[in-house]
Amino acid sequence: TQLLEQSPQFLSIQEGENLTVYCNSSSVFSSLQWYRQEPGEGPVLLVTVVTGGEVKKLKRLTFQFGDARKDSSLHITAAQTGDTGLYLCAGAGSGTYKYIFGTGTRLKVLA
Amino acid sequence: DTGVSQDPRHKITKRGQNVTFRCDPISEHNRLYWYRQTLGQGPEFLTYFQNEAQLEKSRLLSDRFSAERPKGSFSTLEIQRTEQGDSAMYLCASSLVGQGPEQYFGPGTRLTVT
Repeated sequence: TQLLEQSPQFLSIQEGENLTVYCNSSSVFSSLQWYRQEPGEGPVLLVTVVTGGEVKKLKRLTFQFGDARKDSSLHITAAQTGDTGLYLCAGAGSGTYKYIFGTGTRLKVLA
Repeated sequence: DTGVSQDPRHKITKRGQNVTFRCDPISEHNRLYWYRQTLGQGPEFLTYFQNEAQLEKSRLLSDRFSAERPKGSFSTLEIQRTEQGDSAMYLCASSLVGQGPEQYFGPGTRLTVT
């Protein structure tokens, strides 16, 4: 059974601080996506990483896919209150479209 | 592109009643997914369609759950004889074959079973 574990589960930081969120598995994924979800809404896609070792940047957010395609990280530089939300990673194995979601990291950025 | 829409946004029902939810995917998206999300957890895969064919179902989708996508456009998810444990957010997502693994989510239907 494929599982994605995210850490930390909860994170509360001050505006301007940096942070990193991790998404780990013992399984290999053909691709991995990161989403942000706000209360009462559906997840919003941030990025997809496909190639082992790939790094993608989205403004202050940097995403990295592990060389073995089993893990990923999300780094936020100079966090803002608007970054508050639930961050989810999701992946699918090769040949399937059954996406597995991580447990999520709930981020709160304080002004 | 109007995005994925779901109806209703909220549903309160009594235990034992049947409920049906609708999902309209992004126009021309031929894959459609259903997920269930309980409080504090990530979404759990329920099923997905490619066009009108239901290609994969999770074991979470018990006999009381059924999903259809009769014309390959909108989809419905029905829960029969609801139980309190069915209370959750039901999310729909869609994607386009050949355009990468990205899926786009609707706002969800929040179900409360009393």
